[in-house]
Parts: sequence; C-alpha cells; structure tokens
Amino acid sequence: KAGVTQTPRYLIKTRGQQVTLSCSPISGHRSVSWYQQTPGQGLQFLFEYFSETQRNKGNFPGRFSGRQFSNSRSEMNVSTLELGDSALYLCASRGTIGTDTQYFGPGTRLTVL
Amino acid sequence: GESVGLHLPTLSVQEGDNSIINCAYSNSASDYFIWYKQESGKGPQFIIDIRSNMDKRQGQRVTVLLNKTVKHLSLQIAATQPGDSAVYFCAETWGANDYKLSFGAGTTVTVRA
Repeated sequence: KAGVTQTPRYLIKTRGQQVTLSCSPISGHRSVSWYQQTPGQGLQFLFEYFSETQRNKGNFPGRFSGRQFSNSRSEMNVSTLELGDSALYLCASRGTIGTDTQYFGPGTRLTVL
Repeated sequence: GESVGLHLPTLSVQEGDNSIINCAYSNSASDYFIWYKQESGKGPQFIIDIRSNMDKRQGQRVTVLLNKTVKHLSLQIAATQPGDSAVYFCAETWGANDYKLSFGAGTTVTVRA
C-alpha cells in the first residue's frame, strides 16, 4: 500500500502571500490530520478532517485553514504568510474514528522570505 | 518515591548496547500513546503504541513501558544499530473522537560505531 503523500515537498513564498499544500492519505484511510513542525515549538497539531468535516482543531490563527474532499485527499491553506510560518508541514492519516494508529507523510518544507 | 527516568534531549549510545528513551507526558486523561522515529528530511515513522490499560508492550527490538502513576513513558531499543540514529518522539492523545496528538520535545539518538 502506498504511504501518505504530500505535494509539493518544498515551497518558497514571500510574506503576505498565501499557500496551499496537498495531502493524499493511505488508500482507505478517511481521517487526515495536519501538523506544523518547527525547531522552537516542535510538532503541533493544526486540525483533523474526517469525511470532509473538521473534527478537531489546534490553537492556530484563522489564517490556517483546511478542507477534505470526498476521496479523502486534503488541502491546507495558509493566508497572509508571516516569517514565523516557515516550518515543515506534516500530514498524517488513520483509518477510521476509533482506529488510533496514525501514519505520517514526508512533509512539505515551507520557507517564507 | 519511585524513580523515573529523566528526559534527555540527546542520547549517545554504543552500537550493540540497549537504549532507553524517556518521556514525561502531560495529560492524566491521555489513553493512547505512540512512539515515533524521525530521520532527517523525513516525516515521523510509527514505531510502537500502547493503550492506557497496559503497562508494557513489546515489538521487534523495541519495548514501551507506561507508568500512569507518574505519567511516564519509556522506549527501550535492544541492540541499538546505526540505523536507529534519529529523533524519537513520544505522543499522547485521549479519546478516539477527540484525536489530536500532543508531542514531546524529542530525543536525538546518536549511535556510535
């Protein structure tokens, strides 16, 4: 089975721009979560989607948003980019609610200049 | 009182020796715990998990111990190999419907040849 895939792998943007990241979960998985990883803050939960609905949300500003499509693929959007948004953005998927094992993709490295 | 391991940000281990990585978790309501391994340039890789109704679980060369009394988790790696060099994170969550992994700071393990 193919793992979680994320595109693009690397991205460079400037302050004020917006960006969209994409994640394809493991085939058959319906839950997709997003995390931000930075050297200072570590791994922090952004949000989780299941069956196209956001089920959980972390403590991030409204500039961070996401959505999930009927095929379980998910996108994450960050608007009005700030320098502090530079990070590795990780997507993870799991089978169903009640199935706990979560698998991560390789991440998208976002650099904001 | 009971002695628990101190969380160390780095750990240097001789190849062939056993490694013990410690983690103190934050939420007494957490009921599911996962250890992840992250190599440079990659996303976190699932190693082993444990539920709160267990105190020990073994995998291939790895053992996770859970002490709920002092909110402590440890990962033991037997016969450490060069390929075990990575950053190791413990993660906790609670409730299948409120699933948002909270990660520890991570321990960087370096295996000496």
